[in-house]
Amino acid sequence: GAVVSQHPSRVICKSGTSVKIECRSLDFQATTMFWYRQFPKQSLMLMATSNEGSKATYEQGVEKDKFLINHASLTLSTLTVTSAHPEDSSFYICSATGTGGRRGYTFGSGTRLTVV
Amino acid sequence: QQQVKQSPQSLIVQKGGISIINCAYENTAFDYFPWYQQFPGKGPALLIAIRPDVSEKKEGRFTISFNKSAKQFSLHIMDSQPGDSATYFCAASASGNTPLVFGKGTRLSVIA
Repeated sequence: GAVVSQHPSRVICKSGTSVKIECRSLDFQATTMFWYRQFPKQSLMLMATSNEGSKATYEQGVEKDKFLINHASLTLSTLTVTSAHPEDSSFYICSATGTGGRRGYTFGSGTRLTVV
Repeated sequence: QQQVKQSPQSLIVQKGGISIINCAYENTAFDYFPWYQQFPGKGPALLIAIRPDVSEKKEGRFTISFNKSAKQFSLHIMDSQPGDSATYFCAASASGNTPLVFGKGTRLSVIA
């Protein structure tokens, strides 16, 4: 089956630093990647959608300069949280869809970000 | 994003019982309706999904019932087990590589 590998699974960083989260599709070409944020006991909230080779489309209220998304290849997308603050602490999850008429959304295992 | 409304927020079921979670949607452009299971600290995992051209789909102990006219769909977990205790999310999306819209989730506890 389709697999999306997300790293790191946990990261703790100091306030003001930047953190990069990677998502790789291991056995399919991910034409579209979605990035979600999930606060404790809440649902997944879409942050942005990125298509390979194009700029990401951000949801209303998500700062594009703070959450940098790069989708330079069909197997890799990255989310960089810049100048992180404690309120950015959350669970970040990526999801990918592929080519060839394949329908389905494969999720990564998530990244727990804690900003101290 | 169009909303997907999910209920109940939490559910306690005895072992061996049937767990039922309901969702309703508004956007008639939605044509893909998956259910996800999520354990703490993990990403959501696809359980089962349905398209609007069928009214029911069954995979093992999991069944989706779909009512297109009412714009509702539900997940039934038969013979619920303690290992099924998790948070369940319904979701929906339209055709093309559009993002999934999630319900708010149901925290299921199966007690022995």
